Amino acid sequence: GAGVSQSPSNKVTEKGKDVELRCDPISGHTALYWYRQSLGQGLEFLIYFQGNSAPDKSGLPSDRFSAERTGGSVSTLTIQRTQQEDSAVYLCASSLGNRGSNYGYTFGSGTRLTVV
Amino acid sequence: SQKIEQNSEALNIQEGKTATLTCNYTNYSPAYLQWYRQDPGRGPVFLLLIRENEKEKRKERLKVTFDTTLKQSLFHITASQPADSATYLCALGSSNTGKLIFGQGTTLQVKP
Repeated sequence: GAGVSQSPSNKVTEKGKDVELRCDPISGHTALYWYRQSLGQGLEFLIYFQGNSAPDKSGLPSDRFSAERTGGSVSTLTIQRTQQEDSAVYLCASSLGNRGSNYGYTFGSGTRLTVV
Repeated sequence: SQKIEQNSEALNIQEGKTATLTCNYTNYSPAYLQWYRQDPGRGPVFLLLIRENEKEKRKERLKVTFDTTLKQSLFHITASQPADSATYLCALGSSNTGKLIFGQGTTLQVKP
């Protein structure tokens, strides 16, 4: 597609429910990233996929968070047993290479998650 | 731990002036640094990239400097316009990983 597409754009869920957030990166981009941004805060790294390599999961805040990337394209971020502190905007980005030294990220518009 | 500092206070300037935003970092030796613009309700948009061996990079009205001794990058917007009003994020990356570490951003308000 022309850009990075994320769905849904907004999600309100009850505490304790599971949610799935979807990211459709730019075709041909080998790298895909998930970040989250709380109100007035910077971007917090969650997870990074590069081609067929094992993902860098070092930013996932707890084992309730997981992500997968199928066929080197679409990615799904799953949050199990959601908590109120999970409320944030979840941003997905993709890039051409595995090192940002040559390429910037293209971000989607994000999914705003509200846990009530 | 790695830390990136951007001025948390909003920067207010008059149209036509040069805006200068600062990004400082500690406990990190980045191979490159990127600047992004973020508008409310939108994802960040990539603006410029500068590598550790580059002192300065320009793109239209934008200029970025990178001083690895001072551990600082300056981001300049010349002849600023109200449309430049946004939050600007700096991000650092290393040579052995593809992920970026972002600062909290500085909000720029350009008044007509």
